[in-house]
This record gives sequence, structure tokens and C-alpha cells, in this order.
Amino acid sequence: GDSVTQMEGPVTLSEEAFLTINCTYTATGYPSLFWYVQYPGEGLQLLLKATKADDKGSNKGFEATYRKETTSFHLEKGSVQVSDSAVYFCALSDRGGGADGLTFGKGTHLIIQP
Amino acid sequence: EAQVTQNPRYLITVTGKKLTVTCSQNMNHEYMSWYRQDPGLGLRQIYYSMNVEVTDKGDVPEGYKVSRKEKRNFPLILESPSPNQTSLYFCASSFGYSGGTGELFFGEGSRLTVL
Repeated sequence: GDSVTQMEGPVTLSEEAFLTINCTYTATGYPSLFWYVQYPGEGLQLLLKATKADDKGSNKGFEATYRKETTSFHLEKGSVQVSDSAVYFCALSDRGGGADGLTFGKGTHLIIQP
Repeated sequence: EAQVTQNPRYLITVTGKKLTVTCSQNMNHEYMSWYRQDPGLGLRQIYYSMNVEVTDKGDVPEGYKVSRKEKRNFPLILESPSPNQTSLYFCASSFGYSGGTGELFFGEGSRLTVL
């Protein structure tokens, strides 16, 4: 079956540092890929998505590129802020881009120190 | 405002006492789903519904029931709660196959403790 693997953390960085959170996946066919973010005390919300190979999703300074050859969708940000502290979930859907039946990774807890 | 609303947000109960967590969405979404979030295990899907009167099991359905009598509501029922159901629960919805951006919209979560 489908699966998503990501570093669990916690990942602790200083403000303005460069961020990479790795995500690799296993799926049949050509899934759509997502990053969701969960701020403290809140539900998850979509951060960015990519629906086909070589697509780059971007939002709020975060970026991720759909790499079919390495089955990866790593999340990057050039300069993190304290307000980026949250749990980040990588996810995939093999339902033609729909959000039905999303498979989530276990989440990466990111802590940004001032 | 587009939202998914869950109630209660916090609940402490005792083993065996039936409880219902309500979920309502105001976006006319066809697809609704329940997840539980546990440390080290991430998000696991309990049940989902593709439309009214259509529900199906997710990865961890044991001990839970759901119903979808109206498009906007998708309650989660614990008939006889046990301590291993202590968890943080999320309801979510989306347009599903019928279109939209593929985005799943989440409620703020319901933290349940079963003593």
C-alpha cells in the first residue's frame, strides 16, 4: 500500500536558518503530494501541493518539488521564523488529485528558537 | 466563514459511557472523514464518507461508529469507550472526486480522555 516517510524530530533551528524536512513516498501510479501544517492547538491546514512530476508547490516562503525519480517531496524554506514552529505533515493521494483517502506521514515537529 | 466545527473540544469520560463527537461543515463538501492523532503514530483514519448515506472504514475503525444522514454532519460515536481511545480526534472534509483543489479542511480537534 501507499506510505509516506518523514523525519519525526523534533527539529530545532535558530531563527533565519535554512530549513529542509525530508519526505519520501511509496505509491502505485502517480500520486498528488501535499504538505500540511499544524500550529499549536489547531487543526491541520494545507501548506502547499504538487500534482505531477517536477511541479513545485510554494506558499508562505516554503517550497517543495515533486521528484518522481527519487520519490521525494522535501520541504524547504530559506529563512525560518519563530512563527514557523509547528508540526509539518507530508501526505499523498492517489485519487487523481483529490483529497480523498490521503495517506499522511507521522509528522515532523519543528521548533524555531529566537 | 468556511469551517469545520467539532464539539466538544475537550472531554473527560469513563470507560463504557457512550459518547458522540459532532462534526459539521458549511462548505457543501461531499467527502468527510475522522482521524485520530497519537504521539509517534501520526494521523490515522477512522472512518470516511463519500456522500450522504455512504460510509466506509478507514485504518482503525474498531470501537467507533459513524453516520451520514445529512451532507453537513458526520458524528463520531463511541458506544463503549475504553482507555485506548484516549486521543486527539480530527474531523475533515473536502469536495472529493467532484472537484475542488484537493484540499482537506480540518476542524480544530477534540481531545478525549477515557478513564
